[in-house]
Amino acid sequence: DGGITQSPKYLFRKEGQNVTLSCEQNLNHDAMYWYRQDPGQGLRLIYYSQIVNDFQKGDIAEGYSVSREKKESFPLTVTSAQKNPTAFYLCASSITDWSQSTFGSGTRLTVV
Amino acid sequence: DAKTTQPTSMDCAEGRAANLPCNHSTISGNEYVYWYRQIHSQGPQYIIHGLKNNETNEMASLIITEDRKSSTLILPHATLRDTAVYYCIVREAQGGSEKLVFGKGTKLTV
Repeated sequence: DGGITQSPKYLFRKEGQNVTLSCEQNLNHDAMYWYRQDPGQGLRLIYYSQIVNDFQKGDIAEGYSVSREKKESFPLTVTSAQKNPTAFYLCASSITDWSQSTFGSGTRLTVV
Repeated sequence: DAKTTQPTSMDCAEGRAANLPCNHSTISGNEYVYWYRQIHSQGPQYIIHGLKNNETNEMASLIITEDRKSSTLILPHATLRDTAVYYCIVREAQGGSEKLVFGKGTKLTV
């Protein structure tokens, strides 16, 4: 079955370390997105990519970086420059635009 | 900023219809209404979307008022598994660079 896979589900890192979150999809979707969700809040867009080798900043890109070398993969790196990295991170994809996005099950990052 | 207003929380008895309202008084003619839901600690799930006609699928029905300033998502026979946060989103359906903007949604407890 097609879907979008995020790994790992839980991730713990020490403060000051960079960490990369994986997102893979086999839906043949062109567009992929990363969101951040804090407790009791909605989703905030970090980065998005509408085509391979191209990506744009979302609303809260500072302290994050991404790459889109393959259509299937859109990894997110949380750098040490991100002041409050502890959050629930969600990856999503869609065929061509934002409308009917398919979401992964998320990665919960805790920085200690 | 989110273009929609939803109640913070709602309760519904199991087996009854859950009617979740959404106000979008500034919606423009080419903007669609989308509904997603998020079960605790999972990614959001697409439910349904519509422009002006009422829509129905296997998950839910979407009723949009004639002036399009508000809509209601209907879960006809709510079950415990329908407990989730429901997000109402307004945006253009095709192309463009407008993002999906997720507000805080409505926490539905069945």
